[in-house]
Amino acid sequence: DIQMTQSPSFLSASVGDRVTITCRPRQSIRSYLNWYQQKPGKAPNLLIYAASSLQSGVPSRFSGSGSGTDFNLTISSLQPEDCATYYCQQSYSTPPTFGGGTKVEIK
Amino acid sequence: EVQLVESGGGLVQPGRSLRLSCVASGFTFAESAVHWVRQAPGKGLEWVAGVSWNSDNVAYADSVKGRFSISRDNSKNSLYLQIKSLRPEDMAFYYCAKESLSCGPTSCLRVFDSWGQGTLVTVSS
Repeated sequence: DIQMTQSPSFLSASVGDRVTITCRPRQSIRSYLNWYQQKPGKAPNLLIYAASSLQSGVPSRFSGSGSGTDFNLTISSLQPEDCATYYCQQSYSTPPTFGGGTKVEIK
Repeated sequence: EVQLVESGGGLVQPGRSLRLSCVASGFTFAESAVHWVRQAPGKGLEWVAGVSWNSDNVAYADSVKGRFSISRDNSKNSLYLQIKSLRPEDMAFYYCAKESLSCGPTSCLRVFDSWGQGTLVTVSS
């Protein structure tokens, strides 16, 4: 199984801040990387697929980058509605595996 | 609108069995692979099992292999998860998720593009 390591596990930032979350798989997964947002009490929601492609309906302040073993999710200007936990997930091999999550809080 | 509605969760004693269901609507269920993903309270996401559109291919997480069985009935737009010998560590929200193939600049890959609201399985004596 491919282990996915996310950092940080928690971050607190102000409205308007630029925030970046990192995901590092144990081995190269090329661009087979997705990002999900999960708000409290809700199911996860797909944000980014193939490392950098924005899912339809997702605000453009979200962006993804990276390949191989180093990926980032960036929120260019943090909004109150972005309070959530964010997960990376690899689709390179079965079983699909998720990172441990990054909880984003507004200061 | 895609909808996935899970049911069948509840309070179950350790060692007992349970069957979860997920009814799909808003898309051609018979053409999509579907999965179960679980989340223990306050914890992260764990993929549990998946089944191809025609049930020819099934896969399980090592942690549930031999105790969980995934199946589907395309005539009823339904996905199932049979759980045997429940353990305390199986306590979680169980989500069904629809798989789709999405293509980026350099690759096409499988994504979980729609999720149900989840059903909670509590394991306790």
